[in-house]
Amino acid sequence: GEDVEQSLFLSVREGDSSVINCTYTDSSSTYLYWYKQEPGAGLQLLTYIFSNMDMKQDQRLTVLLNKKDKHLSLRIADTQTGDSAIYFCAENGGDSSYKLIFGSGTRLLVRP
Amino acid sequence: DTEVTQTPKHLVMGMTNKKSLKCEQHMGHRAMYWYKQKAKKPPELMFVYSYEKLSINESVPSRFSPECPNSSLLNLHLHALQPEDSALYLCASSPLTHYEQYFGPGTRLTVT
Repeated sequence: GEDVEQSLFLSVREGDSSVINCTYTDSSSTYLYWYKQEPGAGLQLLTYIFSNMDMKQDQRLTVLLNKKDKHLSLRIADTQTGDSAIYFCAENGGDSSYKLIFGSGTRLLVRP
Repeated sequence: DTEVTQTPKHLVMGMTNKKSLKCEQHMGHRAMYWYKQKAKKPPELMFVYSYEKLSINESVPSRFSPECPNSSLLNLHLHALQPEDSALYLCASSPLTHYEQYFGPGTRLTVT
């Protein structure tokens, strides 16, 4: 079946790096996504990675994909207070690729 | 420009009211989506439109009625809702159904 899991909470100090982890089960997923949601707002697409890639870097964001272990991570360098939000990882569900399968979300708190 | 707009931002309605939510995108995307998000949960897919035709209905009650008048607009008509339908309703669009999805800011709906 399709399942995406994330840890619920992460707290870091401003200026440190944050690493948010995600595991998924559907090996036929072609894309994996990271979305950011601030309170009361919609989801902002941060970045995504094609399943045949190992890594993708975009400014302060680095995505690592371990396809063998079905593990995805998002590293945010030099974390700022404005990065405080809920981060969702998502996969497009293989045969049901119209559908995003979301994790439960990781709440990132950045302490000054 | 990766912008999806939604109106209204907030909506309060009684259980006997009829109201509509509106979503618009001008990115030339041919797939549009409605999601429902309850507090502290990930979004749940409701409907998918592809080339202005309804392609997926995720077993949504008939008191929710989607409509896609043209390739840029998506409506969600609401009638005889229940208090448990109170949630954030998110619209999204993507170039095609298996590509990355861009979300709007959402409509916060309260049913009294």
